Amino acid sequence: DVKVTQSSRYLVKRTGEKVFLECVQDMDHENMFWYRQDPGLGLRLIYFSYDVKMKEKGDIPEGYSVSREKKERFSLILESASTNQTSMYLCASRMDRPYTGELFFGEGSRLTVL
Amino acid sequence: AQKITQTQPGMFVQEKEAVTLDCTYDTSDPSYGLFWYKQPSSGEMIFLIYQGSYDQQNATEGRYSLNFQKARKSANLVISASQLGDSAMYFCAMREPHGSGNTGKLIFGQGTTLQVKP
Repeated sequence: DVKVTQSSRYLVKRTGEKVFLECVQDMDHENMFWYRQDPGLGLRLIYFSYDVKMKEKGDIPEGYSVSREKKERFSLILESASTNQTSMYLCASRMDRPYTGELFFGEGSRLTVL
Repeated sequence: AQKITQTQPGMFVQEKEAVTLDCTYDTSDPSYGLFWYKQPSSGEMIFLIYQGSYDQQNATEGRYSLNFQKARKSANLVISASQLGDSAMYFCAMREPHGSGNTGKLIFGQGTTLQVKP
């Protein structure tokens, strides 16, 4: 059974803390994504990665960075957490081909920044 | 820039009736893909259906069908014979082309919350 695993379902952090959100997939997928989901705004793409050590900015990269040292793992980093980064974060992966392939999502990480 | 719009924040439907969830998109590329996902209250994202921009026929998957009107840039999801388990949030998404400077990323609409009444 295909699986995308996010390390934490719920996190509470303080303003200014450095936050790591980890995502691991076991499907040997080339592409991995980080989205944040907010009510009324849908899912917005933060960063994505085509393959190991590659990364591309999405639509809202400010305040975030990513790391992809191994194919199966894609980490989202909040260098200095702020209250406006309180959100649900979703990791996803897919094969690079075919182009019709859907995203497989993790269960999400709900981050609260106080 | 590509854009996906879902104009219905919330909808109700009676059990066993059909319902249409609207989705419009904007792109200047001739090659793209359209997806629908379901997100129940548990939070998982479930892939429902896919339509390619060059597909001649509307996609269907069981009770789900995609009403693809290319000229109008709409990709509405039709759910037939609604069930209580269909109550969820539904997202429309578009994959932009991959290659020649395009990234193949997937962008999502704002979502529509569907509630099925018994």
